[in-house]
Amino acid sequence: GAGVSQTPSNKVTEKGKYVELRCDPISGHTALYWYRQSLGQGPEFLIYFQGTGAADDSGLPNDRFFAVRPEGSVSTLKIQRTERGDSAVYLCASSTLQGADYNEQFFGPGTRLTVL
Amino acid sequence: GNSVTQMEGPVTLSEEAFLTINCTYTATGYPSLFWYVQYPGEGLQLLLKATKADDKGSNKGFEATYRKETTSFHLEKGSVQVSDSAVYFCARDEDSSYKLIFGSGTRLLVRP
Repeated sequence: GAGVSQTPSNKVTEKGKYVELRCDPISGHTALYWYRQSLGQGPEFLIYFQGTGAADDSGLPNDRFFAVRPEGSVSTLKIQRTERGDSAVYLCASSTLQGADYNEQFFGPGTRLTVL
Repeated sequence: GNSVTQMEGPVTLSEEAFLTINCTYTATGYPSLFWYVQYPGEGLQLLLKATKADDKGSNKGFEATYRKETTSFHLEKGSVQVSDSAVYFCARDEDSSYKLIFGSGTRLLVRP
């Protein structure tokens, strides 16, 4: 079946602009996660949803970052007043939270964000 | 700080050599442990996992054993191939949340 998809694959913006990054999880997956990966580093957790609600948003760096999942499927990560330090690959993942593989996270290809 | 520590790369091996990539973790509880792999130009994929102490995860010739006494989850393969060249990430989950905490990654380069 289809995996996790993310759009756009690349986004170049100017400092101070607003951006939205979209994630389509695997159909039926309850949980959806956002991570950020800087060059040469491992992914860093941002936020995770169970259904429509944010179950853990402890990784969001500041109030410029916000994410929604209004219908419990697609999620959008929103970044206001972008800064050069926000440049990274933003990864989305989903998992079933059921059965033996409940915590196996399936990752999308990522959105590479560049803030000029 | 980061509670998953893995050896720095790059690790360069010849084909058919033995591979070990060290990973240690800190945790207050009993997390599940994972190895993810990122092949060039591709997304992160789960390679193997272990959910409790002394469990051994295995896949594609790779193995890792959950060692609670040494808080380690070292990745091993007896005979690497050129196609194993990738970046390998060790990770653990959290007791109170399903989020993953990743190490910084180890790049493996296998030469023919």
